[in-house]
Amino acid sequence: QQQVKQSPQSLIVQKGGISIINCAYENTAFDYFPWYQQFPGKGPALLIAIRPDVSEKKEGRFTISFNKSAKQFSLHIMDSQPGDSATYFCAASMKQGAQKLVFGQGTRLTINP
Amino acid sequence: DVKVTQSSRYLVKRTGEKVFLECVQDMDHENMFWYRQDPGLGLRLIYFSYDVKMKEKGDIPEGYSVSREKKERFSLILESASTNQTSMYLCASSPPGYRGYTFGSGTRLTVV
Repeated sequence: QQQVKQSPQSLIVQKGGISIINCAYENTAFDYFPWYQQFPGKGPALLIAIRPDVSEKKEGRFTISFNKSAKQFSLHIMDSQPGDSATYFCAASMKQGAQKLVFGQGTRLTINP
Repeated sequence: DVKVTQSSRYLVKRTGEKVFLECVQDMDHENMFWYRQDPGLGLRLIYFSYDVKMKEKGDIPEGYSVSREKKERFSLILESASTNQTSMYLCASSPPGYRGYTFGSGTRLTVV
């Protein structure tokens, strides 16, 4: 119930292509869904986040799509660039109680030039 | 700029040693967290703290303890290090009611 399942584990995309990473959850009490980006040797950094009252949120080339009925959300990176090569984590948390983040397994994204 | 500092980037310890991982934040955040990161498993919560001297277990607390004597410092303690505790350890902090964490750069611990 507390898990967030992320796929794929690794992804290779050509420069200029669209990168898509998917996550699924079971706990309907989750109400905050962030994505974190991690470069080698660094800690994860908040990239973009969404709440379940909207189906899509866009910030520059990064878009979160949210499907509440399917309990799924995804990150789309448009016009992918080599500088986007990193590990991406989806996460979820509840408003009640601890508000701690539960993370997915991570996706290592490589953008080939 | 907000900052979370972890005292060591790399650490090598022997099995059975008591290990201290230190984390300091300069943002006056109430909430602090310790996660471990392992390939294919993502980030898993070990312990967290909402205030000085307060702590709560996360999902994988076995073999670990924590200390928070001052608001800015949150220490993770491995009571008797074992090889299965070889991992990347990440500290994070956040203000109350805000769920966007600021992470440190991590400590890569190897237990031999």
